[in-house]
Amino acid sequence: DADVTQTPRNRITKTGKRIMLECSQTKGHDRMYWYRQDPGLGLRLIYYSFDVKDINKGEISDGYSVSRQAQAKFSLSLESAIPNQTALYFCATSAGQGKHQPQHFGDGTRLSIL
Amino acid sequence: QKEVEQDPGPLSVPEGAIVSLNCTYSNSAFQYFMWYRQYSRKGPELLMYTYSSGNKEDGRFTAQVDKSSKYISLFIRDSQPSDSATYLCAMSLNAGGTSYGKLTFGQGTILTVHP
Repeated sequence: DADVTQTPRNRITKTGKRIMLECSQTKGHDRMYWYRQDPGLGLRLIYYSFDVKDINKGEISDGYSVSRQAQAKFSLSLESAIPNQTALYFCATSAGQGKHQPQHFGDGTRLSIL
Repeated sequence: QKEVEQDPGPLSVPEGAIVSLNCTYSNSAFQYFMWYRQYSRKGPELLMYTYSSGNKEDGRFTAQVDKSSKYISLFIRDSQPSDSATYLCAMSLNAGGTSYGKLTFGQGTILTVHP
């Protein structure tokens, strides 16, 4: 089983709908992240959480919200989806102690908003 | 100007070639440098991780960091078709608090190694 699991893997929806993307991890990491990936733009950070009680905005948080339900679960919501939120979304985790720790990614959710 | 710029590619090389992938950055506070490999329909996976200037070698892969020029490179020797993927450079600040651990990515370079 994957260490970082994202659901759904693919989603097509309409403008104005509320959407939730879910991420769960079995790595025991404290830190979790949400990114979006667009062609030619690389990965951009939406939100990150360093523990259950700590949520921080990334560089492109407008139009998104998150919830850290438990150490292992971090969900991303689009309250009212718009077409320019069509992208590939990745969840990542990293350990929180000591020196800089690498991030481990899920396999992504491909989201299309019509 | 983006904080991290990566040669856009795409790059197509024959099997066995030496591949050079490059990124430049503008923020001299970046201290940790990473290369991720991303296969189609998969998430990025960490390939190389360096902290200081100089070279780090791992099998066919060499990561090079030149902090004075704000330039990093990934070299792939004896490239194989299985190396075909998107390569992403990423960097992180060496700071405490909420900046610690956040990554800034380059745009990614698509590499194809043909037999």
